[in-house]
Amino acid sequence: DADVTQTPRNRITKTGKRIMLECSQTKGHDRMYWYRQDPGLGLQLIYYSFDVKDINKGEISDGYSVSRQAQAKFSLSLESAIPNQTALYFCAIQGAGNQPQHFGDGTRLSIL
Amino acid sequence: RKEVEQDPGPFNVPEGATVAFNCTYSNSASQSFFWYRQDCRKEPKLLMSVYSSGNEDGRFTAQLNRASQYISLLIRDSKLSDSATYLCVVTHNDMRFGAGTRLTVKP
Repeated sequence: DADVTQTPRNRITKTGKRIMLECSQTKGHDRMYWYRQDPGLGLQLIYYSFDVKDINKGEISDGYSVSRQAQAKFSLSLESAIPNQTALYFCAIQGAGNQPQHFGDGTRLSIL
Repeated sequence: RKEVEQDPGPFNVPEGATVAFNCTYSNSASQSFFWYRQDCRKEPKLLMSVYSSGNEDGRFTAQLNRASQYISLLIRDSKLSDSATYLCVVTHNDMRFGAGTRLTVKP
């Protein structure tokens, strides 16, 4: 089983719709992250969490919200999707200290 | 100025070639450094950590120069399967990713 599982893998939806992307992990790590990646650009941090109910804004949090109700799950919501939120979204987990992050397979999101 | 900068490439090299990528970072207090590999439309995967003394993993060698604030990745004897985008990652309070350097290894 994968350490980090993202659902859905692909999603096409319309402007104005509410969307939730789910991330779950089996490693028991406290730290979890959501990134977006646009073609030709680096990863941009949206939100991160260091523990249950701990929520921190990243570089580009506007238009997004997150929920961390359990250690293993970190969900990302787009309350009212807009076309420029079309991107590849990655969830990542991280162990203690300066351990590297490990990523899920990604969710490809298209907003028409 | 971006916190982590990389030459986007693309680097097009023949099989067997040696290729090197550099990455500069702006925060002198950065603590940890990594190279990740990302294949097209896939997730980034850890290639190797970068240690102060430099480190090697098979055909891959990573170096850190704290005084000049850059890290490097050297790939020897390039294989077709090395074709990917290589991401430089620097950690201070959180991880900051470079935009990546694209490598294509050709027969």
